[in-house]
Amino acid sequence: AQSVTQPDIHITVSEGASLELRCNYSYGATPYLFWYVQSPGQGLQLLLKYFSGDTLVQGIKGFEAEFKRSQSSFNLRKPSVHWSDAAEYFCAVSDYNNNDMRFGAGTRLTVKP
Amino acid sequence: DTGVSQNPRHKITKRGQNVTFRCDPISEHNRLYWYRQTLGQGPEFLTYFQNEAQLEKSRLLSDRFSAERPKGSFSTLEIQRTEQGDSAMYLCASSLGQTNGYTFGSGTRLTVV
Repeated sequence: AQSVTQPDIHITVSEGASLELRCNYSYGATPYLFWYVQSPGQGLQLLLKYFSGDTLVQGIKGFEAEFKRSQSSFNLRKPSVHWSDAAEYFCAVSDYNNNDMRFGAGTRLTVKP
Repeated sequence: DTGVSQNPRHKITKRGQNVTFRCDPISEHNRLYWYRQTLGQGPEFLTYFQNEAQLEKSRLLSDRFSAERPKGSFSTLEIQRTEQGDSAMYLCASSLGQTNGYTFGSGTRLTVV
């Protein structure tokens, strides 16, 4: 079955600095990949998704992610972080039918003023 | 379209009692998912419906758990004889087709005392 590893449990960045959150996946075929964000006490909001085609995908709130098959990675980036970006970020991978999405343990982002 | 709705938002129950949660998906979404999330972890897959058919169940879904989706609309998740280990956030999500991300509700937080 597919799985996801998010190596960083907690990251702190200064407001205005760039951000990169790491995600590595394991799946035998071409995966469907997602990034979600979760604010405290809330459900998950989809930031972006990759199914096929261009390996650099753009999402909401100025986020982007790049699919690198050779590295089994799907890292999330943002050029300039805002205080409102502080939240928990989850990477997820799904199978070819997209009916079994598996999540990583999450990375908590803290933004310093 | 009011998104995915989950009720109740919070539930406190005594150990051994039965509880039932409800999920109302986005009306045109044919797929519905239940996940469980504990503190500091990513969501864990429990079960999946396509229309009214329950197509997949995780081994996490013990025989005390049952889910239904009558008529392919709303879904219920029932936990019988609750245990303290059942305390978690229960998330429902829905999607349309194979190439879309899941839309999550805000969840039901269960506390078993």
